[in-house]
Amino acid sequence: ETGVTQTPRHLVMGMTNKKSLKCEQHLGHNAMYWYKQSAKKPLELMFVYSLEERVENNSVPSRFSPECPNSSHLFLHLHTLQPEDSALYLCASSQDAVRNEKLFFGSGTQLSVL
Amino acid sequence: DAKTTQPTSMDCAEGRAANLPCNHSTISGNEYVYWYRQIHSQGPQYIIHGLKNNETNEMASLIITEDRKSSTLILPHATLRDTAVYYCIVSVLGGGGGADGLTFGKGTHLIIQP
Repeated sequence: ETGVTQTPRHLVMGMTNKKSLKCEQHLGHNAMYWYKQSAKKPLELMFVYSLEERVENNSVPSRFSPECPNSSHLFLHLHTLQPEDSALYLCASSQDAVRNEKLFFGSGTQLSVL
Repeated sequence: DAKTTQPTSMDCAEGRAANLPCNHSTISGNEYVYWYRQIHSQGPQYIIHGLKNNETNEMASLIITEDRKSSTLILPHATLRDTAVYYCIVSVLGGGGGADGLTFGKGTHLIIQP
């Protein structure tokens, strides 16, 4: 148990659906991250939030929309996804986004887009 | 571009020490060496980090060469549960993330044999 909880654990959606991934951290951290891990590829950083403000957006398509209502919660809203968006989506947190010691990851949401 | 080079895969017998090498010949003076591992279908897990001195914790030991161009992660008594992909990462500010997050490469797939 890392203190970072992601739901749902698995998600299957059609290309016209709208769904949201949820991440919650119980560690009192100030920074949260979304990573994408496609099959056979390294983890890719998608978004970074520090104190609820987005500080990094790595050229992610607009069909992925993050939301950070407070420092403990992070969402990833999905709409009109493509089959190539099927991947493991990982949430992480750290004490802060600059001088932090380490990242704590959730178990991820395995997303399949049909 | 990954700043580190690791073997794609390694085998180790259960109960023996697993030694995982990493080359980081272009490491800067203010960059730390971090190790994470990812067990199948889970998020990455922090293992250990260091700057130039050798480090040890309850999970592993980290040996960094004097010129800091390479390092070795040592799991002293490998168990079947240590089978995972191990990532060696260099990062500035002693940080596990920062506004750029962590850049993961392909890592080493360590297989512990019974």
